[in-house]
Amino acid sequence: TQLLEQSPQFLSIQEGENLTVYCNSSSVFSSLQWYRQEPGEGPVLLVTVVTGGEVKKLKRLTFQFGDARKDSSLHITAAQPGDTGLYLCAGGPGSARQLTFGSGTQLTVLP
Amino acid sequence: GAGVSQSPSNKVTEKGKDVELRCDPISGHTALYWYRQSLGQGLEFLIYFQGNSAPDKSGLPSDRFSAERTGGSVSTLTIQRTQQEDSAVYLCASSLANRATEAFFGQGTRLTVV
Repeated sequence: TQLLEQSPQFLSIQEGENLTVYCNSSSVFSSLQWYRQEPGEGPVLLVTVVTGGEVKKLKRLTFQFGDARKDSSLHITAAQPGDTGLYLCAGGPGSARQLTFGSGTQLTVLP
Repeated sequence: GAGVSQSPSNKVTEKGKDVELRCDPISGHTALYWYRQSLGQGLEFLIYFQGNSAPDKSGLPSDRFSAERTGGSVSTLTIQRTQQEDSAVYLCASSLANRATEAFFGQGTRLTVV
């Protein structure tokens, strides 16, 4: 069974600070996705990384896929209250076409 | 439709009753997925449909859970004899065939079993 561990589980920071969220596994994934989920909504895809060592930037968000395709990180620069949400990493797809999700990082950015 | 639509948004049911959850995928998306999410947690995969077929049902947590899809579109997830541990948000997602990594999620159905 492929497992994804995310850390930290909870993160509360002040507006303007930087932060990094980690997603680690002992398994190799063909691709890895990052989602953000707000209360009462489904997860929204932020990015997909597919190549080991790949770095993608989305405005103030920087995503990196580890060289061995077992881990990933999400770095947010100058966090804003609008960044608040549950950040989920997901790897796959698996043999049943499913995505394996991490347990999430609940980020709160205080004004 | 413009996005994945799930109904109802919220469902409160008594223990032992059956419930049906509905998912309307994005038009043209042949792949459909059901996931379950406990409070503040990641998503647990339940079942995947390609067209009307579900190649792998091993993610369903018990034989009280079943799902079907008709006409390659709408899907229904049925939970029989609900238990309190079934309380969760049930999320549906759809994608183009073989594009599981580009799935779009509905807003979910919050199920509470009392």
